[in-house]
Amino acid sequence: EAEVAQSPRYKITEKSQAVAFWCDPISGHATLYWYRQILGQGPELLVQFQDESVVDDSQLPKDRFSAERLKGVDSTLKIQPAELGDSAMYLCASRTGNTPSGQETQYFGPGTRLLVL
Amino acid sequence: GESVGLHLPTLSVQEGDNSIINCAYSNSASDYFIWYKQESGKGPQFIIDIRSNMDKRQGQRVTVLLNKTVKHLSLQIAATQPGDSAVYFCAETFGTSGSRLTFGEGTQLTVNP
Repeated sequence: EAEVAQSPRYKITEKSQAVAFWCDPISGHATLYWYRQILGQGPELLVQFQDESVVDDSQLPKDRFSAERLKGVDSTLKIQPAELGDSAMYLCASRTGNTPSGQETQYFGPGTRLLVL
Repeated sequence: GESVGLHLPTLSVQEGDNSIINCAYSNSASDYFIWYKQESGKGPQFIIDIRSNMDKRQGQRVTVLLNKTVKHLSLQIAATQPGDSAVYFCAETFGTSGSRLTFGEGTQLTVNP
């Protein structure tokens, strides 16, 4: 069964350092999402891609966060500099994107758990 | 603001019993709902979905009920097993949101042997 891949699974860093997370969506999925999940809460959308284009980054803290999906396949989320409050699970999800209404399941990867010290 | 909320943060049941997890949503324009299961340290796993033109949908051991009148969603798990222990989230979206999912806070289901 096809799955969304993410790496690394865990990352410990010191504040002010740079971190990067990688996501490989399910093959053929045009729409890719990055979510942040704080412990005990539901995921919150950071950025959404349709192919290589950003379609929603309204919730992305652009002073320190950046995301790219240069070839419309895999994606990287970067934080620079990391702050203590960035400690969370970073989840990637994808869907085929063939349903304009959005009525289509998003499949999630295992996530990257970030701890900022 | 628009959000999807859950009535109970925790639910404890005996193995073999049926479980019912509830969710209330506030956006009457929501037209697609998904239930996810999230085990500790893992990403959310799709369980079942339902569109707003339906009021019930069944899967394997799971049933989702949608009551648009009171904006309520529930997940029923039949013959609950220890492997069902996890946090369950409902999520909703609507056509003009660009497929952005809004998640509730989650219900921790514990199945006692």
